[in-house]
Amino acid sequence: KQEVTQIPAALSVPEGENLVLNCSFTDSAIYNLQWFRQDPGKGLTSLLLIQSSQREQTSGRLNASLDKSSGRSTLYIAASQPGDSATYLCAPLGVTGGFKTIFGAGTRLFVKA
Amino acid sequence: GAVVSQHPSWVICKSGTSVKIECRSLDFQATTMFWYRQFPKQSLMLMATSNEGSKATYEQGVEKDKFLINHASLTLSTLTVTSAHPEDSSFYICSARVYRQGVSTEAFFGQGTRLTVV
Repeated sequence: KQEVTQIPAALSVPEGENLVLNCSFTDSAIYNLQWFRQDPGKGLTSLLLIQSSQREQTSGRLNASLDKSSGRSTLYIAASQPGDSATYLCAPLGVTGGFKTIFGAGTRLFVKA
Repeated sequence: GAVVSQHPSWVICKSGTSVKIECRSLDFQATTMFWYRQFPKQSLMLMATSNEGSKATYEQGVEKDKFLINHASLTLSTLTVTSAHPEDSSFYICSARVYRQGVSTEAFFGQGTRLTVV
């Protein structure tokens, strides 16, 4: 059964810092991995999708890397802004067990102005 | 990106009543949709996989008679919380996955439904 761990659980930083959010998963048989953002009381917004054959994806100030064999993904946020404050969720799509997306507990990020 | 619309965004109901939540894929067909539940400050827990034209597949520990799922068309799945109790109060989110040329790509999520049972 896939288990997803995200570290740190919470992070508070001043504006402008570069950040690293970590995700590890126990079953490396994944199809792809998505990073999402969730604002309080809201649904999920997809940030980046990395296919299992890819090593990284970039979108603006966001860069996600994937090391499938070691079961790890990292989300880099450059030059953080107060608007980046949200919970960031890592979600690998597993091949075994019926193509289910399993979520980590998330990293709660607060960027201070 | 693709749009998944969920309705209602919030609902308050009395104990013992049933509540239906709709999940629609607006600009694509979704043969499979997923229902998640999220408790405050916790992550999303997969409840069930909804398959168009067939029975839903429930995760271990999820009561299928309590959480009725119907996926009658390629664009609509519904979750009905039957005989709701205060412990069913939660944030429910649906998801649909886009396939391009048979290849699974991104998962898109609805806005979520905040259910409060009083």
